[in-house]
Order: sequence, then structure tokens, then C-alpha cells
Amino acid sequence: DAKTTQPPSMDCAEGRAANLPCNHSTISGNEYVYWYRQIHSQGPQYIIHGLKNNETNEMASLIITEDRKSSTLILPHATLRDTAVYYCIVNAGNNRKLIWGLGTSLAVNP
Amino acid sequence: EPEVTQTPSHQVTQMGQEVILRCVPISNHLYFYWYRQILGQKVEFLVSFYNNEISEKSEIFDDQFSVERPDGSNFTLKIRSTKLEDSAMYFCASSDTPGRNTEAFFGQGTRLTVV
Repeated sequence: DAKTTQPPSMDCAEGRAANLPCNHSTISGNEYVYWYRQIHSQGPQYIIHGLKNNETNEMASLIITEDRKSSTLILPHATLRDTAVYYCIVNAGNNRKLIWGLGTSLAVNP
Repeated sequence: EPEVTQTPSHQVTQMGQEVILRCVPISNHLYFYWYRQILGQKVEFLVSFYNNEISEKSEIFDDQFSVERPDGSNFTLKIRSTKLEDSAMYFCASSDTPGRNTEAFFGQGTRLTVV
């Protein structure tokens, strides 16, 4: 599975959009970009995933560049409860194992 | 909303003892996983299980580890003779139909402390 690079930490003001970047320059054509988050050592929580088109759900939006070498997770109106470690994972899907990096620790400030 | 449940939430055991960590995956899921996270470190894959057999395992999952689906609902991880370095959060996860690119759902974890 391809490796990903994320900034170790970011800050965001409550109510503002949080934009979390991820680089995955070695992604293969059949690999998806998945985002999970982990709130204070709880179980990881799925957020969103995509292949090449941008995706949106009730939690977030995922913007994938045309060359698929990077992506951005957008939390449109961050709340204090969104403070967590966010993981960008590239995975071929089909229920394969997830390989985790260190993620981005997002602090949402009041 | 359906969820993965794990018991116990915290287990303390003496070095050399056997432990069994229990998980109830989401009922219609077919793939099951165990991951672990040592305090302050990355989440690490241990094993995946499908159709009543291990489909993949990591180097961490040595002969001291085993998994079982003893009935239609439970999925267990057994560590035969625990070591201090087995202290970690253990997460169970499950996912949906094979061939679909679906997400994995995680339980809240069991914190294992080996003393």
C-alpha cells in the first residue's frame, strides 16, 4: 500500500473550516484514499473515502487532485468535538488491512 | 446505528497469563480484524479473518496469538502467554461485503495492561 504524508499537527478555530492535507504521490490506480479519525485513544472512526472524484457526506468533504497525488479533507464547520488525530490511508479496498501513519493531530480552539 | 462492541474495556493480567479479548462485530459483516495501539504509537494491524479462517496476519501475530469465531456473533483474540510488551489498546473491527470498497467499523477497544 502507498505511503502517505501528513502534517503532524494543525489548529483551527471553532466554527471555521478545517482543511487537512495529505500527500500520496505513489498511489496506484486501484487505490482509494480513506480518512479516519481517532478521538483521544477511542476506536478509530471512518470519515470518508474516494477514488478520484470529490466526495461529500454528512461529516466532511474529500477533495482529490486530478493527478491523485494529494487530497484534502475538509471539515466545513469545525467544533470542539472534532479535536482528534486524523489519518489519511491509501488502500486498495476490498476489505484489505489498513496501514496507519501518525496522522494529523487537529486541535479545534474556542 | 450498529456498532462493534468489545469486552472488557480494561484488562489487567500478570505476565505469562493467558488473556482472551472479546468482540461482537456488526451482525451482517463478514470480515473481522484485530489491530493494536501501544501508547503513543501508531495503530498496527494484527490479523484479518474471513470465512472462518485467517486471511492475512502481520509479523506481530506470532504463535502466541490466535483468533476464533466460536459462534455466530463473537470474535476473540487470545494471547497465550502475555509479555510486558503486549500492553496496548486492542481494537476489533469489522467490514461489509467482500468486493465492495466499504469502510471498517471499529470498537472502542480493550486496554490490556500486563504487569
